[in-house]
Amino acid sequence: SQQGEEDPQALSIQEGENATMNCSYKTSINNLQWYRQNSGRGLVHLILIRSNEREKHSGRLRVTLDTSKKSSSLLITASRAADTASYFCATVTTGANSKLTFGKGITLSVRP
Amino acid sequence: EAGVAQSPRYKIIEKRQSVAFWCNPISGHATLYWYQQILGQGPKLLIQFQNNGVVDDSQLPKDRFSAERLKGVDSTLKIQPAKLEDSAVYLCASSLERGGSSYNEQFFGPGTRLTVL
Repeated sequence: SQQGEEDPQALSIQEGENATMNCSYKTSINNLQWYRQNSGRGLVHLILIRSNEREKHSGRLRVTLDTSKKSSSLLITASRAADTASYFCATVTTGANSKLTFGKGITLSVRP
Repeated sequence: EAGVAQSPRYKIIEKRQSVAFWCNPISGHATLYWYQQILGQGPKLLIQFQNNGVVDDSQLPKDRFSAERLKGVDSTLKIQPAKLEDSAVYLCASSLERGGSSYNEQFFGPGTRLTVL
């Protein structure tokens, strides 16, 4: 079953604008990860935020995590055409033998 | 450093035929994963190896799918016999994980796109 659910399912913005993508999940997690997938580079890890962290930055990416609401958001600032891709939220539950569970993904289109 | 290698990149077979996929993880990565990604969905874990032992195969359809990781390095995933619903991209990933869990980031290969006719 899919743990994370992303919102919106699709997003289209102009180059230079910011893109905000949301993810909600159902059970307690050890960490939450965001991945990007496009035809050129496949599925690539973007950022990992642990359950005891609230915000993390990496270049133009900003991720927040609210464990009380079981939600996370990914912000891409100053978007570029090369950011066009599918973005997946993936959660890792607590406990032994936990696995990475992906959502269905968000399709982001950045218009030049 | 070299990434995760997979072959073939594309495969077209007819239903009831057999197919095998190969994966070579990043050197030194103890944990290897096989995922199935159906069009329009996120990847779903099929099996996780730590070295050459199986950690989790709870979502592997064992009546038709099998996987092995001999010598704790390369891995093969086999489908026999294939069904129409097996059409998907099969992704291999590896990580430095050593404890049997999945707490760290995973590095994915380019995938094998399987079409079953």
